[in-house]
Amino acid sequence: SQQGEEDPQALSIQEGENATMNCSYKTSINNLQWYRQNSGRGLVHLILIRSNEREKHSGRLRVTLDTSKKSSSLLITASRAADTASYFCATDVGNEKLTFGTGTRLTIIP
Amino acid sequence: KAGVTQTPRYLIKTRGQQVTLSCSPISGHRSVSWYQQTPGQGLQFLFEYFSETQRNKGNFPGRFSGRQFSNSRSEMNVSTLELGDSALYLCASSFGLRGGDGYTFGSGTRLTVV
Repeated sequence: SQQGEEDPQALSIQEGENATMNCSYKTSINNLQWYRQNSGRGLVHLILIRSNEREKHSGRLRVTLDTSKKSSSLLITASRAADTASYFCATDVGNEKLTFGTGTRLTIIP
Repeated sequence: KAGVTQTPRYLIKTRGQQVTLSCSPISGHRSVSWYQQTPGQGLQFLFEYFSETQRNKGNFPGRFSGRQFSNSRSEMNVSTLELGDSALYLCASSFGLRGGDGYTFGSGTRLTVV
């Protein structure tokens, strides 16, 4: 099974609203990363949060990490139509490959 | 600076054939990783190359192979293609191993096996 599992699998919101998606993982991590993928394209790195960090911001993105619960959340504020995409979390556990979760498909309704 | 370049963008092959995909990483990146993405299985790790050496390998059959050249460019090869190999193949480069500082992905090669 996947190291990272995103929740929800799909999310539809009105433009201007905030979008929150969650990622849970199983083993201790060095860092956790979030990526965006527009339909049929490559993934774009959004933000990296290390295991000793609790929160990080980048523009309209806010990521939190709770290592005790083995979970992370990605908040996108003031959503725009261009934010429509799939969002993946990925975990770096040290000696192995970067493992991606199952993704959340976000749709922003104009 | 130039991004990660994958060629070709689209391929249609017949079962039993073989295929070679190419990836040119960002200048200065020494690690190249390959992922297979399908609707059913998501993103599955194939292998990672660093300084021309395979450093990690996923759970794929031996029909999937790769290599990396001295200029960090990488190729992956799939022999004896099966219908189930139809997927988006993504290449990602990073400065360090395992994308620990974040991957830069190419746009992918869409392989269709008929």
